[in-house]
Amino acid sequence: NAGVTQTPKFQVLKTGQSMTLQCAQDMNHNSMYWYRQDPGMGLRLIYYSASEGTTDKGEVPNGYNVSRLNKREFSLRLESAAPSQTSVYFCASIIQVYTGELFFGEGSRLTVL
Amino acid sequence: KNQVEQSPQSLIILEGKNCTLQCNYTVSPFSNLRWYKQDTGRGPVSLTIMTFSENTKSNGRYTATLDADTKQSSLHITASQLSDSASYICVVSARSGNTPLVFGKGTRLSVIA
Repeated sequence: NAGVTQTPKFQVLKTGQSMTLQCAQDMNHNSMYWYRQDPGMGLRLIYYSASEGTTDKGEVPNGYNVSRLNKREFSLRLESAAPSQTSVYFCASIIQVYTGELFFGEGSRLTVL
Repeated sequence: KNQVEQSPQSLIILEGKNCTLQCNYTVSPFSNLRWYKQDTGRGPVSLTIMTFSENTKSNGRYTATLDADTKQSSLHITASQLSDSASYICVVSARSGNTPLVFGKGTRLSVIA
C-alpha cells in the first residue's frame, strides 16, 4: 500500500520556469491538499480539493494552480517560478475531513534560483 | 480567527527524560485534534486523533490529553529516546468551514545522549 506518492522529490528551477508537482493516493480518499512548509512558518495550505471535480484556494494560493485529475491524482503547477516559492511541498489526503486520518506524502523539495 | 498555538517553539532534553508539549487553540466549532510527528526531511505521521469526548489517548510512549473547555491539549512523551527527535505538530479540525484543518507551527524536540 503506497499511500500518498509525490513526484519529483527534488527539483531546481530557474526564475520564470514552470513545473508541475504530481500527487497520487491509492486509499480512495475524497479530499486532497497541497501544503508548503518553510522554516519557522509551519505547514500552510496552498490549495485543496474537497472532492473529485472541486478545487479551492487555501491560505497562500498566489502563483500556483491545481488540477484534480481524478479521485486519485491532484497536481500543483507553478506557471512562472519565483525564488519566494523555494520551499518543501507536501501533498496530503483524507477520506473524511471531520473524522478521518490525514496522510501525507514524503514531500517535494523545490529550489528556485 | 481559527488559530493553533504551540509551545515551546523548541525543546532540548536528555535521553530517558519525560517532556510535555502544549497546544492551545481557538478553533470553533471544534471537531477533533490531531498530533503529528515529523522527522527531518519526511512527511508528518499521525500519533493520535482525539474527539470532543476524549480526555486522554495513548500511543506507546506518547500520551495526548485534551481539555475541550479550556481549549488546550498536551502531548506527553515518556522515557524519551533519540528517535523522538522531531517536530511535533498539533492540528485542530473545525466541524465546518472551507478550510477546517488548522495547523500549529510545531515544537522542535531534540533528544540528546
